[in-house]
Amino acid sequence: NAGVTQTPKFQVLKTGQSMTLQCAQDMNHNSMYWYRQDPGMGLRLIYYSASEGTTDKGEVPNGYNVSRLNKREFSLRLESAAPSQTSVYFCASSEHLFTEAFFGQGTRLTVV
Amino acid sequence: AQTVTQSQPEMSVQEAETVTLSCTYDTSESDYYLFWYKQPPSRQMILVIRQEAYKQQNATENRFSVNFQKAAKSFSLKISDSQLGDAAMYFCAYRSAFTGTASKLTFGTGTRLQVTL
Repeated sequence: NAGVTQTPKFQVLKTGQSMTLQCAQDMNHNSMYWYRQDPGMGLRLIYYSASEGTTDKGEVPNGYNVSRLNKREFSLRLESAAPSQTSVYFCASSEHLFTEAFFGQGTRLTVV
Repeated sequence: AQTVTQSQPEMSVQEAETVTLSCTYDTSESDYYLFWYKQPPSRQMILVIRQEAYKQQNATENRFSVNFQKAAKSFSLKISDSQLGDAAMYFCAYRSAFTGTASKLTFGTGTRLQVTL
């Protein structure tokens, strides 16, 4: 019963470095999402993938890119990390866009 | 754009007592979904309860129930017989039922619930 698995759980980057956050789900869900959580702001949608082969921008996409590698996997890439990207990142999936989302355990990213 | 407001940053309840967390939202849509998520210290976001706007009956999941007032755009969560394990951050969230905007869950800023002995 893995559900949604994110790697890594913690990461420290220097400004300007790049990295990819990995996400995989084993629930055969069609839709996947990346959110960021900042203190006092709830969660905000970065990018989503309604179905395999499609990706779309969410509320705060600047500075990020995504890849829906297959139905199971959805990665988030920071090309040139900035301190403003220090946050907790959550991957989520849902059967369809209209159904409830299930979340991974989050990645705490610090950019120094 | 839809907004979700949780006006109680922190709440406290004694074990075995009942507590109600408030949530209001603003939308011009007639069909949508509302959720409560729990985030314990482990950081995992856990779905607590879900309500479809077209259903008049309030959703219930064991000790968790909601008071959904569509006209007032209010969606409160009641936790009965509170347990120590209920201590967490609780987020209210809104999702449109229309294809163009259904992708996005709009979250409130959360209410931190403390459970005391």
